[in-house]
Order: sequence, then structure tokens, then C-alpha cells
Amino acid sequence: DGGITQSPKYLFRKEGQNVTLSCEQNLNHDAMYWYRQDPGQGLRLIYYSQIVNDFQKGDIAEGYSVSREKKESFPLTVTSAQKNPTAFYLCASKYGPQNTEAFFGQGTRLTVV
Amino acid sequence: GESVGLHLPTLSVQEGDNSIINCAYSNSASDYFIWYKQESGKGPQFIIDIRSNMDKRQGQRVTVLLNKTVKHLSLQIAATQPGDSAVYFCAEKAGGYQKVTFGTGTKLQVIP
Repeated sequence: DGGITQSPKYLFRKEGQNVTLSCEQNLNHDAMYWYRQDPGQGLRLIYYSQIVNDFQKGDIAEGYSVSREKKESFPLTVTSAQKNPTAFYLCASKYGPQNTEAFFGQGTRLTVV
Repeated sequence: GESVGLHLPTLSVQEGDNSIINCAYSNSASDYFIWYKQESGKGPQFIIDIRSNMDKRQGQRVTVLLNKTVKHLSLQIAATQPGDSAVYFCAEKAGGYQKVTFGTGTKLQVIP
């Protein structure tokens, strides 16, 4: 079945550590996205990528990094520079510039302990 | 499931009634506006979109209205059902680009 997969579902991190969240899609979509979701603030765009080897900062990129070495994969690293990393992280993908339907993964809940 | 709607505006509707969820957007250059539904603990799901050169689009039980003069978007759900209970987000896509940004969301509660 085609789809978008995030792993792990739950992730715990100690303060000061970097952590990488995985996002894989087999939908042959060009664009991929990372959003952060906090209660009462909806989805905020962290980074997005329109094609392989290219990505752009979203509205809250500070403290995060991404790579897009393969079309299928768009991992997100939450660095120690992110001051408030505890949140629900959602990855999405969609086909092309004129396409509006984005497909979301099930999310990763990151908790700093 | 995840509690993502703790502080979101809430709309309570009696089962069978129509629901209207509103959204204000900011970017006049957006070429598409989209509505998503998010159930607890899940990622958002696409409902319907509308191109910026349209003012109304209908789907199955849903209608989206776009008022560019006041930068307002609404989602109307006919004959609301318990399965419609969720958080609803509007989103906008930047013209010519892939950037998609979301609004803050509205929690819809359907009263049986």
C-alpha cells in the first residue's frame, strides 16, 4: 500500500541531545513537509522540500535541520538549539505545485525529559 | 489519543444540524485554499479545496466559500454527524510554490 510513514510514534530525548525523526513516503510525491503541532497553535511549518536536494525554511526553522537526499525520505533533526522541542511532529507529502492534497503521516510525539 | 485541541475555539452542533466553520487567511497571493480534518491522535486528512479565482465549491455534504474581499474562508457541513467530530484546519498554498501553511483550527463537537 502506498503511504507516508513516520517513526517512531513516541520519542524521548534528554536535554542537550540531538534527535532525528524519520519520514518516508512511497507515493512518488515531489514535495515533503514537516510541521510542528502544539495545543492551541495549529500546525506550524518547520521546513519543506519541493524536490530532491532542495529545501526551504518554514516559519519556525530555528533549532531544526533537514535533508532531502532521496525523493522518498525527508528526515528532521531536532537539535539542542531548539529551546522547546516537546511537541507533536507531523510529516506530509504532496505531488506537484498545482496539487493541493497533502498526505500526512501519523505523527511523532517528542518529549524532552 | 493526542490532545491537540485543548485551547482551540470550539463549535458545538446538534447532530443533524448544519455546521459552519470559519477561517481568516493572510496571504493575498495564495492560489489555493484547503480544508483538513484531524481526528484525535491522527494526521490531518484532506477534505476539499478551492482555487483563489472561485468563490464557492461543493463536495459531498461540504461546501467551501471564499470571500477574497475580507480574506475569509468557510466550511459548511450539511447534516452534521457524530463522525464529523474533529479539529478542522484551513490551509493556504502559496501561488506557484509548494509552501502550505495552516490556520489555528476549530474543534467541532457534535452533540448526539
